[in-house]
Amino acid sequence: AQSVAQPEDQVNVAEGNPLTVKCTYSVSGNPYLFWYVQYPNRGLQFLLKYITGDNLVKGSYGFEAEFNKSQTSFHLKKPSALVSDSALYFCAVRDIANRDDKIIFGKGTRLHILP
Amino acid sequence: EAQVTQNPRYLITVTGKKLTVTCSQNMNHEYMSWYRQDPGLGLRQIYYSMNVEVTDKGDVPEGYKVSRKEKRNFPLILESPSPNQTSLYFCASSFVASGGVDEQFFGPGTRLTVL
Repeated sequence: AQSVAQPEDQVNVAEGNPLTVKCTYSVSGNPYLFWYVQYPNRGLQFLLKYITGDNLVKGSYGFEAEFNKSQTSFHLKKPSALVSDSALYFCAVRDIANRDDKIIFGKGTRLHILP
Repeated sequence: EAQVTQNPRYLITVTGKKLTVTCSQNMNHEYMSWYRQDPGLGLRQIYYSMNVEVTDKGDVPEGYKVSRKEKRNFPLILESPSPNQTSLYFCASSFVASGGVDEQFFGPGTRLTVL
């Protein structure tokens, strides 16, 4: 069965520093991987996805993520954090080998950018 | 404007009183899904639908029903709500690409309290 782990409940980063939000996954086949962001009192917004191709994926708001098949990871990164990046971030996975289209989300990581 | 709408946004009810949360999308998406968000548990999928008249259970379907009679609507029905269904509920929709479900668009959420 597919699963997603976000090992950190919270990440604190000083404004201007690089940030990383970690995600590891487990699937039996090849994964579709997604990152979403949730701002306070809002629904989730799509940030970026990996389906196939280049392992480095660029997304919205200057975020990027690197797909690493050997480490089964899809960490979210940004070179220089902004206070406005403070939010709740979710990693999600779909296993292409499954005939169903279940999407599994991680538990989320709260990102605090300190001014 | 492309969007997913949910109603109501807030609902307080009592145990056993049937309720329906509506979800509608105007993007002609095939795929629609319901999630609940609980602290420490992240997002968990309740039900999803690949197209009209096609619905499947997610990870936490107990106590919920759904229907997909029209492409744009995907209501969530709680026949006999219980306090453990107090949660924040999100509806989402997506195109279905050749490999399956793609990025999802989320509604603003419905905060349900069952007394």
